[in-house]
Amino acid sequence: SQKIEQNSEALNIQEGKTATLTCNYTNYSPAYLQWYRQDPGRGPVFLLLIRENEKEKRKERLKVTFDTTLKQSLFHITASQPADSATYLCALVPTGGFKTIFGAGTRLFVKA
Amino acid sequence: EPEVTQTPSHQVTQMGQEVILRCVPISNHLYFYWYRQILGQKVEFLVSFYNNEISEKSEIFDDQFSVERPDGSNFTLKIRSTKLEDSAMYFCASMTDINEKLFFGSGTQLSVL
Repeated sequence: SQKIEQNSEALNIQEGKTATLTCNYTNYSPAYLQWYRQDPGRGPVFLLLIRENEKEKRKERLKVTFDTTLKQSLFHITASQPADSATYLCALVPTGGFKTIFGAGTRLFVKA
Repeated sequence: EPEVTQTPSHQVTQMGQEVILRCVPISNHLYFYWYRQILGQKVEFLVSFYNNEISEKSEIFDDQFSVERPDGSNFTLKIRSTKLEDSAMYFCASMTDINEKLFFGSGTQLSVL
């Protein structure tokens, strides 16, 4: 069956450290993968998109990698801050489809 | 920055009643979506809408659900006869092109009593 899996356990890290979140997918062949941030009671907000021919993408303190062989994406936040505390969602569009499918998300807590 | 707006922010209804959730997508966007999120669970796709018709729908989107874009700006989700299990946050989203990012509204929290 098709799955998008993210760490269900919350990630607790100290301010200033790098947070690394994992997304694994099964039985999809996406042309690209996206990461969103969701705060409680709010809609997801787009952060980064990485295409299958890109190994790595950066935006300010954020970095995403995409390994189509491992079927995995890693999302890094460097020099993390308490304001980075949120749920981070991995998402993809199945080939030929119209819908974006979301993983369950990983809750990140950054302690001051 | 342009944004997707949803009304109302909260809706309380009795089981069996009809509800209409309203959305105004970003004006130059061509693809429109409804998602829902039950408390503590993941964001689930309901339906996509393009070129004035449904392009894809999930198993959740049964005959009780319908969508409309009545006037070129609004995008609505109607639930004909609400059930307790329809209680969730409903998000509208839009995008310019199929390979681009989704812009989400702030959601409508639907409570069915």
